[in-house]
Amino acid sequence: ETGVTQTPRHLVMGMTNKKSLKCEQHLGHNAMYWYKQSAKKPLELMFVYSLEERVENNSVPSRFSPECPNSSHLFLHLHTLQPEDSALYLCASSQLEEAYNEQFFGPGTRLTVL
Amino acid sequence: AQSVAQPEDQVNVAEGNPLTVKCTYSVSGNPYLFWYVQYPNRGLQFLLKYITGDNLVKGSYGFEAEFNKSQTSFHLKKPSALVSDSALYFCAVRDGDYGQNFVFGPGTRLSVLP
Repeated sequence: ETGVTQTPRHLVMGMTNKKSLKCEQHLGHNAMYWYKQSAKKPLELMFVYSLEERVENNSVPSRFSPECPNSSHLFLHLHTLQPEDSALYLCASSQLEEAYNEQFFGPGTRLTVL
Repeated sequence: AQSVAQPEDQVNVAEGNPLTVKCTYSVSGNPYLFWYVQYPNRGLQFLLKYITGDNLVKGSYGFEAEFNKSQTSFHLKKPSALVSDSALYFCAVRDGDYGQNFVFGPGTRLSVLP
């Protein structure tokens, strides 16, 4: 596989469920990101991991819990979500050394919270 | 602080006509500017970027963008639009001097009519 992959592509969960989103990058990058994309809203940066350390948490509720076990994998653990958390969740990666390096995005996980 | 504006929610253009998608930005330092495209149910796909030098940047699929420092703009252009160019387009900026995160614009939906 090449690029950035995300699984599952679609997820429907109840508010009391616990689930996890997975992201894997095959580009040798050293930074990974979680974004939330809701209808008619700008892309929201949720978390940034640099060299497997979390460097940014943009006031994201604790019901979202990220994990970065190594530089190629990123998870987003979900528990007791709300219907307003329904969105497309995008993972991205980049190489940190130069600020002009672009981010590469995965296809996203479409999450629906019932 | 960094910010990006895309003043048009929607741009409609006839196939074969030139297209322009507008972007203006604000950063404290030197800007690195990016354009991404998103097709339905897909992640963002990198089109092109401006780092320094020539103000006209050429990218994928025949797209180009013009950097204008005095107007703080980075408009995306294509000489002849295709129906397959219909998608959501995002402009993004990163401050090259202060190394902050990417900031994305709200997106512009381009519809190319046959």
